[in-house]
Amino acid sequence: DAGVIQSPRHEVTEMGQEVTLRCKPISGHDYLFWYRQTMMRGLELLIYFNNNVPIDDSGMPEDRFSAKMPNASFSTLKIQPSEPRDSAVYFCASRPGQLPTGELFFGEGSRLTVL
Amino acid sequence: AQKITQTQPGMFVQEKEAVTLDCTYDTSDQSYGLFWYKQPSSGEMIFLIYQGSYDEQNATEGRYSLNFQKARKSANLVISASQLGDSAMYFCAMRGDSNYQLIWGAGTKLIIKP
Repeated sequence: DAGVIQSPRHEVTEMGQEVTLRCKPISGHDYLFWYRQTMMRGLELLIYFNNNVPIDDSGMPEDRFSAKMPNASFSTLKIQPSEPRDSAVYFCASRPGQLPTGELFFGEGSRLTVL
Repeated sequence: AQKITQTQPGMFVQEKEAVTLDCTYDTSDQSYGLFWYKQPSSGEMIFLIYQGSYDEQNATEGRYSLNFQKARKSANLVISASQLGDSAMYFCAMRGDSNYQLIWGAGTKLIIKP
């Protein structure tokens, strides 16, 4: 089975540009999470969805960040306009609703550099 | 509030020795789960092991075991017979019944010396 697929793996952009990160969760997984990882702040949960519905977006830093999940197999995280402090690795993760242990299955991450 | 503490920012261990990575947690939930993930230099997050709060036996997965001491609120990861490929960041995480998200520790960087 394919794992969580993220694209792009690496993105270098200039300040002010729009950035769109994409995620395809594992088929059948009900939950999708977006995380950001930096050296200073570690792993931060940005938002998570259950059955395509955003449940908790309290971790989204500000209005420049938005996330959507139009269907069960696709989600996007958009930053507009991007700033240098947005440079980080962004992870998408998914999990099935009925898995008793509840571990997350992570994608390989999207490394974003904003110049 | 829930919290995970990993007090070891970094560790150096000789190859083939056993390693214990510390993790303490704080929660008011009666039922919760504890996780360990490995993040090698390539960046992906790899699930290693899970321990449920009501599990009476310590979890084991191959060379990984979780030393769960509920009264002390600790969930240390033990890696037996360490290998060079074990060099990575290791994260402890917790999920309580009150939410579906994981609370993460700051991580421990483990370096295995040949």
